[in-house]
Amino acid sequence: GAGVSQSPSNKVTEKGKDVELRCDPISGHTALYWYRQSLGQGLEFLIYFQGNSAPDKSGLPSDRFSAERTGGSVSTLTIQRTQQEDSAVYLCASSLTGLDEQFFGPGTRLTVL
Amino acid sequence: EDKVVQSPLSLVVHEGDTVTLNCSYEVTNFRSLLWYKQEKKAPTFLFMLTSSGIEKKSGRLSSILDKKELFSILNITATQTGDSAVYLCAVHNNAGNMLTFGGGTRLMVKP
Repeated sequence: GAGVSQSPSNKVTEKGKDVELRCDPISGHTALYWYRQSLGQGLEFLIYFQGNSAPDKSGLPSDRFSAERTGGSVSTLTIQRTQQEDSAVYLCASSLTGLDEQFFGPGTRLTVL
Repeated sequence: EDKVVQSPLSLVVHEGDTVTLNCSYEVTNFRSLLWYKQEKKAPTFLFMLTSSGIEKKSGRLSSILDKKELFSILNITATQTGDSAVYLCAVHNNAGNMLTFGGGTRLMVKP
């Protein structure tokens, strides 16, 4: 596609429920990143995928967070047993090689009630 | 741990003013520094800087990197209301993984 797309754009859920957030990177981009931005805060790295290599999960805040990338393209970020502190905008980005500029999707705004 | 600090935290100017946004960093094995503009949710890419002293320019925006003093500036001349946004600075290390972002500078341009 022309850019990175994410869905849903907004998600409201109840505490304790699981959520799945989806990211479609730019076609041909080998690297895919997930970031989180809490209200008024900077972007916080969560996880990075590069080609077929094992993902860098060093930024995941707890074991309730997981992500996968199928076929080297679409990625899904899953948050289990959501907590109110998980409320944030979740941004996905992709880059051609992993060493160049990252292009961001529009984000998913997650609200946990 | 890589660290990026931006200043000022926020800035209010009037149309036509020139602004300078600052970004200082500490990073192991520096690869590049990037500037993004964030108006609503998605940051949009502005510049990537890898070499000291070479100005990158796009219209009224320009940026330069000083790898000795570990900082970069983003200049916006003849500001317009459409420049109102949060400007984010990020650094990329040679591990090639994530960007480390600063907290951003919120710019408001008044008519």
